[in-house]
Amino acid sequence: ETGVTQTPRHLVMGMTNKKSLKCEQHLGHNAMYWYKQSAKKPLELMFVYSLEERVENNSVPSRFSPECPNSSHLFLHLHTLQPEDSALYLCASSQESGASYEQYFGPGTRLTVT
Amino acid sequence: QQQVKQSPQSLIVQKGGIPIINCAYENTAFDYFPWYQQFPGKGPALLIAIRPDVSEKKEGRFTISFNKSAKQFSLHIMDSQPGDSATYFCASSMNHGNKLVFGAGTILRVKS
Repeated sequence: ETGVTQTPRHLVMGMTNKKSLKCEQHLGHNAMYWYKQSAKKPLELMFVYSLEERVENNSVPSRFSPECPNSSHLFLHLHTLQPEDSALYLCASSQESGASYEQYFGPGTRLTVT
Repeated sequence: QQQVKQSPQSLIVQKGGIPIINCAYENTAFDYFPWYQQFPGKGPALLIAIRPDVSEKKEGRFTISFNKSAKQFSLHIMDSQPGDSATYFCASSMNHGNKLVFGAGTILRVKS
């Protein structure tokens, strides 16, 4: 595996379910990110981790819970989501956490909340 | 002040044409301006980036023009090809910040 991988690629869940999204980077980077991408809207930064510490939390509802057990892995735990949370969730990594470092994105997880 | 406004929302050009995508920002503290390209089923990938100490940057067929006084920057694609059909996002950030602020994206279609 190379670059940034995300699993699953597609997920359908009910509002009462609990699920997790997984991201893995094979680039030796120190920073990882979660973004939400909705149609015709800008990418929304959700969380930033640097060396496994959360350094940015963009007022994301508590039904989204990130976890970064090491610098190569990032999870997004989901529970009691709403239909408006349906979107493409993108993971990215960069060498360091500064925004001017090139961010490498995974292919995303397409989430549908029913 | 954190917004980046991108236009047009979509664009269709003939092969060989020069599509131009424009972005405007409000925060004068922004000093890093990348463009990302996204193909269907893929995540965005960095295409080209500019800092405000230059007014233009070229990489292959892609050129960024930057107007600091107008707080605007644009992407030009020379001799566009069908393979350039993708969604393009501009973004802005402060050099020492953690956050890239993205535009809403432009869907480009190059007709052969």
